[in-house]
Amino acid sequence: NAGVTQTPKFQVLKTGQSMTLQCAQDMNHNSMYWYRQDPGMGLRLIYYSASEGTTDKGEVPNGYNVSRLNKREFSLRLESAAPSQTSVYFCASSYAAYEQYFGPGTRLTVT
Amino acid sequence: KQEVTQIPAALSVPEGENLVLNCSFTDSAIYNLQWFRQDPGKGLTSLLLIQSSQREQTSGRLNASLDKSSGRSTLYIAASQPGDSATYLCAVRPSNAGNMLTFGGGTRLMVKP
Repeated sequence: NAGVTQTPKFQVLKTGQSMTLQCAQDMNHNSMYWYRQDPGMGLRLIYYSASEGTTDKGEVPNGYNVSRLNKREFSLRLESAAPSQTSVYFCASSYAAYEQYFGPGTRLTVT
Repeated sequence: KQEVTQIPAALSVPEGENLVLNCSFTDSAIYNLQWFRQDPGKGLTSLLLIQSSQREQTSGRLNASLDKSSGRSTLYIAASQPGDSATYLCAVRPSNAGNMLTFGGGTRLMVKP
């Protein structure tokens, strides 16, 4: 039982490049989330998916797109990376409104 | 808009002390509140979840309380150990905002041997 896994762990991009962050959970949770964590700003929700086939914007969705590929997988895409998107990205999952479980994070630097 | 505040931002205590971490929130219309631990460079580990109808939850040396009407939660750590050193975050789930969590800024705890 791996819980929530994220790939890659680290990534460096140049401004304008695109990339997809992958997330998978094996806990049969219906809800999945993407957060970013920045010094002084705390954790902020980017997008979430309450159930397979649905996605909703969170607090800071601009510059990102998401795909809920199936019940297990939820990906985050940066179409044209900007230095302001340098951050640590966390994926999380939960069964409805219960405890959220987090992945280990992806450290992204955009130069 | 819900705002969550954690005071103090940092705390240093000697090993063995009992300590209390504070979390306050501006809107009492919450569904639940969750406490997390985050070690440097790592993800968040869930410690305790308190539903809005509950007053407290306990897990080992940890006890979390919730006073929804006053917008406060506390995390009590008994007999602190150096291994408890980490950042502790609280997060509230508003009752009218689906599954979204609003996080506090965290308290960075150091327990000295």
